[in-house]
Amino acid sequence: SAVISQKPSRDICQRGTSLTIQCQVDSQVTMMFWYRQQPGQSLTLIATANQGSEATYESGFVIDKFPISRPNLTFSTLTVSNMSPEDSSIYLCSVTTPQASNEKLFFGSGTQLSVL
Amino acid sequence: KQEVTQIPAALSVPEGENLVLNCSFTDSAIYNLQWFRQDPGKGLTSLLLIQSSQREQTSGRLNASLDKSSGRSTLYIAASQPGDSATYLCAVSGYALNFGKGTSLLVTP
Repeated sequence: SAVISQKPSRDICQRGTSLTIQCQVDSQVTMMFWYRQQPGQSLTLIATANQGSEATYESGFVIDKFPISRPNLTFSTLTVSNMSPEDSSIYLCSVTTPQASNEKLFFGSGTQLSVL
Repeated sequence: KQEVTQIPAALSVPEGENLVLNCSFTDSAIYNLQWFRQDPGKGLTSLLLIQSSQREQTSGRLNASLDKSSGRSTLYIAASQPGDSATYLCAVSGYALNFGKGTSLLVTP
């Protein structure tokens, strides 16, 4: 299995500011994804982080609001820009690995974001 | 668009009971189905993964079944323990995983 370190684990931010969330994996991964879990809701895929190129965003998510970087196979960042209270959610990094069979997904512990 | 529904939304049982969590999905063209456990502040832990060609998977006290034609999966937990208290999420995969909202389970001593 992959060990995923995600930080910060939680933060409280002011409206209009930006927060960058980091995801570090202890081994090479095949795919890296960023999910959002709003209060009382299921997880929603924000984007797939692509190494060395622009992320692939899902419907309803745009690069200007959620810029993503993936400079190498084991590290990615998600920035939540110009935050509003509606961005208060848990943000989760997830990966698949070459070693794990059948596209099994591993998750980081998440970042609990509260926007005032 | 794939819709995933989990019933019940919340469940409270006394320790030792066997229980079943239900998951249904609208599009049967899936690659696999996964059950996760979510603990507060600890992210998600994968419990079981069932390939679309499989009918069930077992791990310890957990058994997950899949009926792709009817769009249903169940997670069976035998002899429940207080440590099983968590939110259980069902997710079906095509390109990426589509999650249900989860079942919040409380097992009381």
